[in-house]
This record gives sequence, structure tokens and C-alpha cells, in this order.
Amino acid sequence: KNQVEQSPQSLIILEGKNCTLQCNYTVSPFSNLRWYKQDTGRGPVSLTIMTFSENTKSNGRYTATLDADTKQSSLHITASQLSDSASYICVVLGTHNDMRFGAGTRLTVKP
Amino acid sequence: NAGVTQTPKFQVLKTGQSMTLQCAQDMNHEYMSWYRQDPGMGLRLIHYSVGAGITDQGEVPNGYNVSRSTTEDFPLRLLSAAPSQTSVYFCASSYSQPRIENEQYFGPGTRLTVT
Repeated sequence: KNQVEQSPQSLIILEGKNCTLQCNYTVSPFSNLRWYKQDTGRGPVSLTIMTFSENTKSNGRYTATLDADTKQSSLHITASQLSDSASYICVVLGTHNDMRFGAGTRLTVKP
Repeated sequence: NAGVTQTPKFQVLKTGQSMTLQCAQDMNHEYMSWYRQDPGMGLRLIHYSVGAGITDQGEVPNGYNVSRSTTEDFPLRLLSAAPSQTSVYFCASSYSQPRIENEQYFGPGTRLTVT
């Protein structure tokens, strides 16, 4: 079983709407949790890095939350744009550089 | 800065052939790594390096070799290609080890098909 589970697998929203992507993990202990955006045919690009003690971190219209007690993280996208169409990947790092990648959520923003 | 570059972008191999995927970075990063990405699965670590002359195995190292003779370059060698190695390969680099909160930069990927 993957140690990082993301939901939903795919999501379609209309331009301008908000959405929230979920990440549940079992990696323990962990060093940090990351969210990446991956455009089709490109490599992942970092959105946020959160440490154990951080609850919320924002990067423009992207806001990540972390609940280390329940081992859950979410990525909230506000006022979505067509350019937000991509896969969003949650990554959890253990304490020995063992990065565990989720399978990603495929987001499609339609006009 | 060019960032992380990978060549080739696409490659088709026959079973049993060998090849080298090239990766280079110009950010003077110590930590470099190779991942493979398969449909429906998260990226999986193949090999990594914490500095020139030092390499170590990741989660799925079988069938792959690496070396790190310079800080800039981290080639991945497929010794005898198998259809199970059909995948998209990403190289990544960061200033230091990922358990420290520093940005990891990914290359554009190499799409490999083994027939």
C-alpha cells in the first residue's frame, strides 16, 4: 500500500471556481511535506514545502494545510485559471531522505 | 541558469540494448537523483547522489547504474533494457538533502520505450 494517498484521482472544475485536493499519508516520522505541480509532459515544480510545525502555507492562489496529528494535508486552489490544469503531487519525506510520492490528482479547469 | 537538463527527450530501445540517460545541472547543487514515473503511480527513486563521487540506491535500483564524477553531471545507465523499464525518467537536483527544506528542481524528463 502506498504510504501517500491522494484524492480525488481526477477533478474537473470551471474557471474561477475553488477546489481542494487531499493527501493522506502514513510516513512516520517525517521531515517535511511538499506539494508539486506537474504540467503535461513536464517535470514537477515545487509549490510549497511544509515542516512538521507548520499548519498553513500559501503561494499565491495556492494554500496548503497540514495536520500532523491526523497525517493529512490539503491543497486549496482559489479562483482557478485555465493554467492550473495539471497534476498535483503530494510528497512526504521521512527522516532518511526517503521521499514518498503520491500518485497525484489530475485537475482540469474548463472555461 | 539552464536549471536541470536531460537528454534525450524521447528514446526507443530494443530489449537487451543499453543506453545512458544524461542529466546535468548548473546550479552547483550537491544532491542529485533519478526517478521513474509510471501511470497511476507516484514517482519512485532509482538512485541518488549526495555529492561528487558518492552514490546510493533508492527504492527501485535494479537494472540501473549511476556515477557522479562531477558536481554537474549525473548519468543513468540502463545495462540491458527490459520492457518493464518503459517509463518516464526524471532527474532532480537540490542544494542539499531533501530532508532539509530546500527546493528540489526537476528536469523535463526522458520518455523511454523498450520493445
